[in-house]
Amino acid sequence: EIVLTQSPATLSLSPGERATLSCRASQSVSSYLAWYQQKPGQAPRLLIYFASYRATGIPARFSGSGSGTDFTLTISSLAPEDFAVYYCQQRTNWPLTFGGGTKVEIK
Amino acid sequence: EVQLLESGGGLVQPGGSLRLSCAASGFTFSSFDMSWVRQAPGKGLEWVSGISDGGSSTYYADSVKGRFTISRDNSKNTLYLQINGLGAEDTAVYYCAKTIIAGKYYFDYWGQGTLVTVSS
Repeated sequence: EIVLTQSPATLSLSPGERATLSCRASQSVSSYLAWYQQKPGQAPRLLIYFASYRATGIPARFSGSGSGTDFTLTISSLAPEDFAVYYCQQRTNWPLTFGGGTKVEIK
Repeated sequence: EVQLLESGGGLVQPGGSLRLSCAASGFTFSSFDMSWVRQAPGKGLEWVSGISDGGSSTYYADSVKGRFTISRDNSKNTLYLQINGLGAEDTAVYYCAKTIIAGKYYFDYWGQGTLVTVSS
């Protein structure tokens, strides 16, 4: 099973600041990685797939990068609605796995 | 508009069974692989099971293999998850999720979830 480790667990930032979230895989997942956003009481929302492709309707301030074992989700300038938990997910091997999540909170 | 509506959750005793359903609309259901993903209270996301567009291929997390069975009825646009031998560790919100492209397991639409609580 591929283990995805997200860091940091919590990121405390102010609106307008840049957020950089990390996801590290225990073995190569090529570019088969996605990022999701989840707010309390809501289902997850797909942000990024194939490591760097923005999903439909996702603002350009969200970007993904990386390949192999190291991936980054960047939010260029945090909007008030961006404070949430973010998960990465790999689809290279069965079983599919998610990272443990990074909570982006208001500082 | 794509909609996924889960049902069938509830309170069940340890060792019990449930069948979850997910009614899909707004897209050609038979053209997309589907999955179930769960989330224990206050915890992260855990992929549970997936099924190919035609239903011929199924996939499971090790934690549920042998106890959970995924299936679909494309004539009814409905996804199912039969869960047996429930334990406290299965308490979670269960989401059904649609893949963005057939065979590519990224999930672009999710239901609102159905809560399964295992307790005596």
